[in-house]
Amino acid sequence: SAVISQKPSRDICQRGTSLTIQCQVDSQVTMMFWYRQQPGQSLTLIATANQGSEATYESGFVIDKFPISRPNLTFSTLTVSNMSPEDSSIYLCSVDTTGANTFGSGTRLTVV
Amino acid sequence: GQQVMQIPQYQHVQEGEDFTTYCNSSTTLSNIQWYKQRPGGHPVFLIQLVKSGEVKKQKRLTFQFGEAKKNSSLHITATQTTDVGTYFCAGGPNAGKSTFGDGTTLTVKP
Repeated sequence: SAVISQKPSRDICQRGTSLTIQCQVDSQVTMMFWYRQQPGQSLTLIATANQGSEATYESGFVIDKFPISRPNLTFSTLTVSNMSPEDSSIYLCSVDTTGANTFGSGTRLTVV
Repeated sequence: GQQVMQIPQYQHVQEGEDFTTYCNSSTTLSNIQWYKQRPGGHPVFLIQLVKSGEVKKQKRLTFQFGEAKKNSSLHITATQTTDVGTYFCAGGPNAGKSTFGDGTTLTVKP
């Protein structure tokens, strides 16, 4: 299965600022996915990052709040913009390799 | 949209007891995956089931996919303290774009 490096692992940010999370995969993949896991909750898909085209966002998530880049087949970034305390969550990237969804180690974000 | 429900939310067992978590979807699933998330960790893929009525085993873990492909279960025989964590089921058109259940958090008392 793929190996994903995600950073930062955690951060504490001031409200109103933005944080960019990076994910690097050790192999080329067509699609990468970004999930959010709020404290004590399940995982919710934010968007699918497509190489060469705009990301596809799920209901309730918009590009202005969560801009995504996918410059090549091994890398993607998610930015959490104009943060508020409600954005405090774990953010995870993942890739689908032969039916197995492999997750990065996650970014634990606290907004104060 | 698709909803995936999972029960129970929490399960406390004595080491050596069995454990089962159940997953139900509001729609027919093309596949279902199971994940384990240790406290403070990220979800780790356990298995994917694709066929109606499929049963797969991994050591003490038994996974089943219902005949109608709308429900699934994970059964752990003789739990150990290493089994603690939250178990999620997820279903969707593919593994990456999946709807996750709320998870079942298992604690094991030695």
